[in-house]
Amino acid sequence: GQSLEQPSEVTAVEGAIVQINCTYQTSGFYGLSWYQQHDGGAPTFLSYNGLDGLEETGRFSSFLSRSDSYGYLLLQELQMKDSASYFCAVRPQGSNYQLIWGAGTKLIIKP
Amino acid sequence: DSGVTQTPKHLITATGQRVTLRCSPRSGDLSVYWYQQSLDQGLQFLIQYYNGEERAKGNILERFSAQQFPDLHSELNLSSLELGDSALYFCASSPPTGPSEQYFGPGTRLTVT
Repeated sequence: GQSLEQPSEVTAVEGAIVQINCTYQTSGFYGLSWYQQHDGGAPTFLSYNGLDGLEETGRFSSFLSRSDSYGYLLLQELQMKDSASYFCAVRPQGSNYQLIWGAGTKLIIKP
Repeated sequence: DSGVTQTPKHLITATGQRVTLRCSPRSGDLSVYWYQQSLDQGLQFLIQYYNGEERAKGNILERFSAQQFPDLHSELNLSSLELGDSALYFCASSPPTGPSEQYFGPGTRLTVT
């Protein structure tokens, strides 16, 4: 089968660094995407890792290791506005048309 | 603003009724995806269209149907509505590179009473 696992909730302090993990069990896939969703809002695309390694976009970085079936989203210099749910998603091989989504991680940031 | 538009923003209707949700993708995007998100839940993929053709189906009930028109806008039809259909319905579109980078509309909040 194909599934993605994320922690349901992560708590961190403003100004700190937090890592949200995503582990997957799938026979093969093209890449790993991350999305952010604020309460009551729409998901917004954050990043895509098509290759193993680290991708950096400002305060956010995303990492993929196919050999370890593992990826993560790293958020640095946390701000209160980063409080949101974060979803990982993969595009399975053999499917050009849809993503398999994780259940999402709710990030709670404390002052 | 993602460039994806959805109407209406809110919809309140009674059980047994039928509603139509509308979506216009970003300019240049040929793919449209529909998702359902119940309160505090994840995204449930419903269906995907590419340039007018159905390409993938997820957990879409038989009471639900969708189509994509020649101008690429899409409609999601929900019929014989039940209380459990109350949810946020999102439409997303993606560029020709594939589904990994999707842009979501603001959603339609459906309340079935």
